Amino acid sequence: DTAVSQTPKYLVTQMGNDKSIKCEQNLGHDTMYWYKQDSKKFLKIMFSYNNKELIINETVPNRFSPKSPDKAHLNLHINSLELGDSAVYFCASSQELEWGADTQYFGPGTRLTVL
Amino acid sequence: GENVEQHPSTLSVQEGDSAVIKCTYSDSASNYFPWYKQELGKGPQLIIDIRSNVGEKKDQRIAVTLNKTAKHFSLHITETQPEDSAVYFCAAWLAGGTSYGKLTFGQGTILTVHP
Repeated sequence: DTAVSQTPKYLVTQMGNDKSIKCEQNLGHDTMYWYKQDSKKFLKIMFSYNNKELIINETVPNRFSPKSPDKAHLNLHINSLELGDSAVYFCASSQELEWGADTQYFGPGTRLTVL
Repeated sequence: GENVEQHPSTLSVQEGDSAVIKCTYSDSASNYFPWYKQELGKGPQLIIDIRSNVGEKKDQRIAVTLNKTAKHFSLHITETQPEDSAVYFCAAWLAGGTSYGKLTFGQGTILTVHP
């Protein structure tokens, strides 16, 4: 059973285009995240949502707009794509976000290549 | 904010040897320390975690130790096998005061186990 799924797995597009990545979790978790992994494998949080509300926005350019239609989905829309946006984007979810964190479960990633 | 340093960046061992990866963190308020394993083309998967009220935790061939005074924690893998080859990430969770917290990841260690 897939816990956290993302589509598409690969995304190749031209600079200036707009694209979306979708994420769904079937774990019943309250909190979802988007992470960016650069070419050096460094993982950095971009956003987190708790019960459809934005909790963390890590000074990500406003070309990136996450949307959570319900607790199980967190999509990422990117406008006016730039070369530097090329990376692997991971969605993750956890049971809750509190003073003591819970395990985060990651999706398989979406490799975005901007030409 | 939190800063996590991870060493070494690459580690090569012979099958059956032990492997140790070390991390230091900067904020003494961090209270949750997970370790993730990322295989090629996949998302990170939790392998073990430790909370700040515990000094050591073991799960079969994997153990994690935490020294809160020195602000460092380590991953120990014994009797390594070729399938242990992957990128390993440490992370530290810092609660954000009255707001939600987040995970900060180390830079990753590429572990190669030679048969």
